Amino acid sequence: ILNVEQSPQSLHVQEGDSTNFTCSFPSSNFYALHWYRWETAKSPEALFVMTLNGDEKKKGRISATLNTKEGYSYLYIKGSQPEDSATYLCAFIVVGSGNTGKLIFGQGTTLQVKP
Amino acid sequence: KAGVTQTPRYLIKTRGQQVTLSCSPISGHRSVSWYQQTPGQGLQFLFEYFSETQRNKGNFPGRFSGRQFSNSRSEMNVSTLELGDSALYLCASSPQQGSTEAFFGQGTRLTVV
Repeated sequence: ILNVEQSPQSLHVQEGDSTNFTCSFPSSNFYALHWYRWETAKSPEALFVMTLNGDEKKKGRISATLNTKEGYSYLYIKGSQPEDSATYLCAFIVVGSGNTGKLIFGQGTTLQVKP
Repeated sequence: KAGVTQTPRYLIKTRGQQVTLSCSPISGHRSVSWYQQTPGQGLQFLFEYFSETQRNKGNFPGRFSGRQFSNSRSEMNVSTLELGDSALYLCASSPQQGSTEAFFGQGTRLTVV
């Protein structure tokens, strides 16, 4: 059974703090890793799609790194703002027949940023 | 460009009934996937359609089925509803499978009573 683990489960930080979350996934048969941000009552919104070992991606104050050999990805938020409050999901795709396109999601990390 | 549209947004059904949920993907997208989120669970993959063919299926009973039409719109059907089917059902569309990001709809909240 393929499992994606995210930690921590939840996080409360003060405005201006920098924070990071971890996504762990099976390192074999890796195809791609996705990060999504999901605000309450909205649709999950794609942040990054990462495919290569050593990938680093950045969007504004949010960045992510990928290590496919050891099976983890980090998501960093620099200078958290209240509008960053959301659940951050990572999802893993395995290579292999019948599996392409199937996203295996972690449980998410819920971030609360206090003003 | 219109986003992914799911209808209806909310639905209440009785045990034993069946339900059909609809998803209209972003124009030009050919891949549509469905996910279920129950309380305390992460998003669980139901199935994926690409060019009207089911390409992948998650670990759900046969009561859960789906289809995709030639215009890429997709429907999922759940027959003989159980209380445990109460969940948020999300649809996602992509231009192609796999390495491109998925665009999600806002979901259909199904409550089975």
